[in-house]
Amino acid sequence: DIQMTQSPSTLAASVGDRVTITCRASQSISTWLAWYQQKPGKAPKLLIYKASSLESGVPSRFSGSGSGTEFTLTISSLQPDDFATYYCQHYNSWTFGQGTKVEIK
Amino acid sequence: QVQLVESGGGVVQPGRSLRLSCAASGFIFRTYAMHWVRQAPGKGLEWVAVISYDGSNKYYADSVKGRFTVSRDNSENTMNLQMNSLRAEDTAVYYCARSRGGNYFDSFAIWGQGTMVTVSS
Repeated sequence: DIQMTQSPSTLAASVGDRVTITCRASQSISTWLAWYQQKPGKAPKLLIYKASSLESGVPSRFSGSGSGTEFTLTISSLQPDDFATYYCQHYNSWTFGQGTKVEIK
Repeated sequence: QVQLVESGGGVVQPGRSLRLSCAASGFIFRTYAMHWVRQAPGKGLEWVAVISYDGSNKYYADSVKGRFTVSRDNSENTMNLQMNSLRAEDTAVYYCARSRGGNYFDSFAIWGQGTMVTVSS
């Protein structure tokens, strides 16, 4: 089974910061990777699919990159609305990473 | 607008059964694969099950295989999750989600608001 590992588990940042979250797959998954944002008490929201494609309506400050086993989600300038938990997902096995919580520093 | 609405959650004793439903609207339901995803309190997301657009293919997480059954009624735009032999570890918010495209090997573009299932004596 493919395992997805995110780092860090928690990240403290300030508004305006550039934030990078990493997701590693236990074996190559090409670019079959998605990123989701989840706020407390809410359903997840798709941000990025196919590793780097921005879902419609998602702000351009979000970007994704990577292929094979290592992927990153970058928020170019953190906004107040971005404090949330982020999950990566290998969607050929539907496996999620454990999540990265972005907190206010 | 595109919408998924789950229902059927509640409190149930260990070993008992519960049936969740997901009502879809605003898109051509019969052309999309559909998923169930759950989230235990304070924990991360766990994929549970998927059903293809026509119901011919179904896959399950190992943690629910043999206990849960996913089904759909394309004439009613609904998907169901029959949960049998429930355990305390099945306690979670259950979300239904729609694939981004029709294929079940795709990201989850649309999510419902979730329904809470609590398994407790």
